[in-house]
Amino acid sequence: QLQLQESGPGLVKPSETLSLTCTVSGGSISSSSYYWGWIRQPPGKGLEWIGSIYYSGSTYYNPSLKSRVTISVDTSKNQFSLKLSSVTAADTAVYYCARHPADYGGRSSFDYWGQGTLVTVSS
Amino acid sequence: EIVMTQFPATLSVSPGERATLSCRTSQSISSNLAWYQQKPGQSPRLFIYDTSTRATGIPARFSGGGSGTDFTLTISGLQSEDFAVYYCQQYDDWPRTFGQGTKVEIK
Repeated sequence: QLQLQESGPGLVKPSETLSLTCTVSGGSISSSSYYWGWIRQPPGKGLEWIGSIYYSGSTYYNPSLKSRVTISVDTSKNQFSLKLSSVTAADTAVYYCARHPADYGGRSSFDYWGQGTLVTVSS
Repeated sequence: EIVMTQFPATLSVSPGERATLSCRTSQSISSNLAWYQQKPGQSPRLFIYDTSTRATGIPARFSGGGSGTDFTLTISGLQSEDFAVYYCQQYDDWPRTFGQGTKVEIK
């Protein structure tokens, strides 16, 4: 059974960089069949897609965050990571990692999700 | 960016009744639409993809329909475990976008 697990600091200071890792178990992140994505949800609000990465390293980012986001993959550790720079209180959210099939160029739904991790931006 | 509009924001329904949730997109997305259920403190769970295909383990009382820019999720015979927030999401184009959610609550 595929499992995704987010990890990283729960508290980040304003202007610093948020760094999270998603560890994939029960499946290979190197599979050509999937994209791996990050989605966030501010407390009490809706879902926002941050970006997705293919095992080859190809990335797609939300234009609203693109200048601050980097998503990378480490196939040796079966992990992918998120870095969000220059954070503010508006970046406080639960961050989820998720998988979506690579069919039709990634035109697919998110079929597996991690449990999410709350990141608070505060001094 | 494709804007997703869900309505109503809140739907009050009695157990056993039918609930119809709507999702409208700012441009045509063919059938590239999914629905997710989210309960408090939990991750979203995929319920419907490709507009009308139920994900693994999703009961038949959930059905999706529509095309182009107008889509619906129908829950027939609401059960206690169905009360939750439901989000639609398009995957026709980047960036992927979600609706703001419809909360289905007990009447």
